[in-house]
Amino acid sequence: GAVVSQHPSRVICKSGTSVKIECRSLDFQATTMFWYRQFPKKSLMLMATSNEGSKATYEQGVEKDKFLINHASLTLSTLTVTSAHPEDSSFYICSAGTSGRPGTDTQYFGPGTRLTVL
Amino acid sequence: QKEVEQNSGPLSVPEGAIASLNCTYSDRGSQSFFWYRQYSGKSPELIMFIYSNGDKEDGRFTAQLNKASQYVSLLIRDSQPSDSATYLCAVNWRSGTYKYIFGTGTRLKVLA
Repeated sequence: GAVVSQHPSRVICKSGTSVKIECRSLDFQATTMFWYRQFPKKSLMLMATSNEGSKATYEQGVEKDKFLINHASLTLSTLTVTSAHPEDSSFYICSAGTSGRPGTDTQYFGPGTRLTVL
Repeated sequence: QKEVEQNSGPLSVPEGAIASLNCTYSDRGSQSFFWYRQYSGKSPELIMFIYSNGDKEDGRFTAQLNKASQYVSLLIRDSQPSDSATYLCAVNWRSGTYKYIFGTGTRLKVLA
């Protein structure tokens, strides 16, 4: 099956620092990558959708200047949490989609990054 | 009204029984439907996807889709304790838009 990697798996940082999370599709080219956040015992919350070479589309309420997304290639997307604060502590998960056409698409998740901001 | 609804559970079934998980969705234009399994502290793992009305079987798993009733279900035969997890239903959001909405998940407990 399709493999998506995410790095780092866990990060602890001080308040005010920036953290970059990488998401890679290892054995397929992803037309679209998604970034989610999940708080304990809550469902996934979509933050943004990104397509290679174009600007990310952010969901309502997600600050684009705080959560910077770069989709440099069909296999790599990065999420940078800028000036992180304790309330940004969460489980961040990326996913990669194999097709842009509903009815033929599938989506595979990376293993997630647990961010703790002190 | 939530776009994708699931019973939060927990749903408890004895080992070896059939577990039946249900999901309803509100957008009639939805075309892609997915079931993910998520263990505590881990990311979701794709189990099944289904695009057409009817049943789709893969090993012990069967996904059932009824677009007229806006209903998708997952059956797990011969349930094992290792199947104990939260099962997330996901639906693509609005026809032609590549975006997914997830239900809040159903927690399944398989009792040994």
